[in-house]
Amino acid sequence: EAGVVQSPRYKIIEKKQPVAFWCNPISGHNTLYWYLQNLGQGPELLIRYENEEAVDDSQLPKDRFSAERLKGVDSTLKIQPAELGDSAVYLCASSLGLAERNEQFFGPGTRLTVL
Amino acid sequence: AQSVTQPDIHITVSEGASLELRCNYSYGATPYLFWYVQSPGQGLQLLLKYFSGDTLVQGIKGFEAEFKRSQSSFNLRKPSVHWSDAAEYFCAVWGGSQGNLIFGKGTKLSVKP
Repeated sequence: EAGVVQSPRYKIIEKKQPVAFWCNPISGHNTLYWYLQNLGQGPELLIRYENEEAVDDSQLPKDRFSAERLKGVDSTLKIQPAELGDSAVYLCASSLGLAERNEQFFGPGTRLTVL
Repeated sequence: AQSVTQPDIHITVSEGASLELRCNYSYGATPYLFWYVQSPGQGLQLLLKYFSGDTLVQGIKGFEAEFKRSQSSFNLRKPSVHWSDAAEYFCAVWGGSQGNLIFGKGTKLSVKP
């Protein structure tokens, strides 16, 4: 069974440019998470989806970040415009549902470098 | 608010030596605790988890962890480290109704021959 797929794996852009990350969760997983991992830090939640509904986006900087999960499967995270401080790894994870006993499976992440 | 502290940023051990990675948590109720491992270029992989019951939990790759409520700790151990264990290790606590995991800053493990 395929794991969580993310693309691209690496992205280098200049500041003020837009960028988008794509995530395909494990088949059948209703819950999808986007985490931000800064260098030397643990992942921090940006947004969580239950099917196609964003149920927790309190940590998402809404002035420049947006996300969508059309049809409750794949998800896209967008930054526009990107800033130097956005350089980080963006991780996508999925689980069967929202419960502590449902293991979260992580993708390999997208490493963003903003110049 | 929930939080996780991993006091050691970087640890180096010799291959074959024992390992203990420290984790302290702050949580008002009974915590649900996790250890994840992240190898370079890889996603986080779950090593083990604690929900309730036996305070010594076994995980994959020969790892175990012990929950100590009195010390608010959930330390990860392995009796004999292999070179392939070199990676970054993250302790996490369940965030409750938010549904997210709250991670520590991680401990990078280096293994010397």
